[in-house]
Amino acid sequence: QSALTQPASVSGSPGQSITISCTGTSSDVGVYNYVSWYQQHPGKAPKLMIYDVSDRPSGVSNRFSGSKSGNTASLTISGLQAEDEADYYCNSYTSSSTNVFGTGTKVTVL
Amino acid sequence: QVQLVESGGGVVQPGRSLRLSCAASGFTFSSYAVHWVRQAPDKGLEWLALISFDGTNKYCADSVKGRFTISRDNSKNTLYLQMNSLRAEDTAVYYCARDSLGIFAFDIWGQGTMVTVSS
Repeated sequence: QSALTQPASVSGSPGQSITISCTGTSSDVGVYNYVSWYQQHPGKAPKLMIYDVSDRPSGVSNRFSGSKSGNTASLTISGLQAEDEADYYCNSYTSSSTNVFGTGTKVTVL
Repeated sequence: QVQLVESGGGVVQPGRSLRLSCAASGFTFSSYAVHWVRQAPDKGLEWLALISFDGTNKYCADSVKGRFTISRDNSKNTLYLQMNSLRAEDTAVYYCARDSLGIFAFDIWGQGTMVTVSS
């Protein structure tokens, strides 16, 4: 199972919006609405930010939103803040009943 | 509070074995599926394995199939990862993560335990 493809880095100024893409295949992202997104700060464990493509867990800011079109899922961060600077990973359930993570995206707040 | 705590990491020689543990507390462990995920130094997350709430169903990544085994003891609220024939490329932080009920996502993560495979 190959990793889902994400851009290595995305940057934006405070207050701007950025979008991170996550491209999979018809065996994972394209066939299931079980895409989740995780935020990871250096030296910390990942934190769930989005599940089921576009749902937010309790306590996660509504500045984070998710969507999907075909084999590509996306995470949008609006009103970018300094605390959003972190690594972000997508994840999808697969047709083999396994999971696969994305390659990861480093978000930099300029 | 709800938490997962990994243990058992350390330095091990190539070809040797190691067993990691993940102790759960603050929730009904026997009701949840759980996963192992690892992260090599300065690399991304890699999903390794999943075990169902009752231990009857197990799924494993191709990269570790045949070498790593996931198991659980619900009477001890503990998840395990038996790692055999370890290689240098298995060097990573190993996390356990809870599979949230009703959705396919990892909602609770442990702090991770470091495994270094080196002679």
